[in-house]
Amino acid sequence: QVQLVESGGGLVKPGGSLRLSCEVSGFTFSDYYMSWIRQAPGKGLEWLSYISYTSTYTDYAESVKGRFTISRDNAKSSVYLQLSNLRADDTAVYYCARGSVYISGLFDFWGQGTLVTVSS
Amino acid sequence: EIVLTQSPGTLSLSPGKRATLSCRASQSVNGNYLAWYQQKPGQAPRLLIDGASTRATGIPDRVSGSGSGTDFTLTINSLEPEDFAVYFCQQYGSSPWTFGQGTTVEIK
Repeated sequence: QVQLVESGGGLVKPGGSLRLSCEVSGFTFSDYYMSWIRQAPGKGLEWLSYISYTSTYTDYAESVKGRFTISRDNAKSSVYLQLSNLRADDTAVYYCARGSVYISGLFDFWGQGTLVTVSS
Repeated sequence: EIVLTQSPGTLSLSPGKRATLSCRASQSVNGNYLAWYQQKPGQAPRLLIDGASTRATGIPDRVSGSGSGTDFTLTINSLEPEDFAVYFCQQYGSSPWTFGQGTTVEIK
């Protein structure tokens, strides 16, 4: 069955960096766009970034552009999110999600999330 | 950016009743590319509806979506205990893809 498992979250100081990973199984990874989405404590969902099948195309929300970088390794069935220059308002659960085969912005499977806490 | 506004914020209902959730977009959603997700505490969101009205795999037919343009509705008939959760709408017709703030369906 389809599984997405995030890792790499933790406590980091303001201005610090972190690399999140998402390893998938149960489907042909290279056939799908992948996205990262976050949810601040008690808040709604915010799409952050997507990456295309072979990394040709990426896009970012304005709130993270220039600070976060998405990448993928199809050989490892993994997608990554490099977080830099972190701020307190980046504290959230970070989810990776699979874009539907029909349209990349529809998220048909999600991981369980990894918590990032930015605090001094 | 398309802003999605969900109402009400919280819906208090008894099992067996009907839930009607609203999602209003600040501008027309391209292609009616509007999805609904369910989220339970400590869990990832689960896709319920895409294309405004198409149920995802495994979603029971008591759950339905409707609407077009800027006004969309999620209806859950005869609420079951597992339906009490938070529901988010999302538009994926225009970048950046955006979500509503959520509606909580709680047991009355």
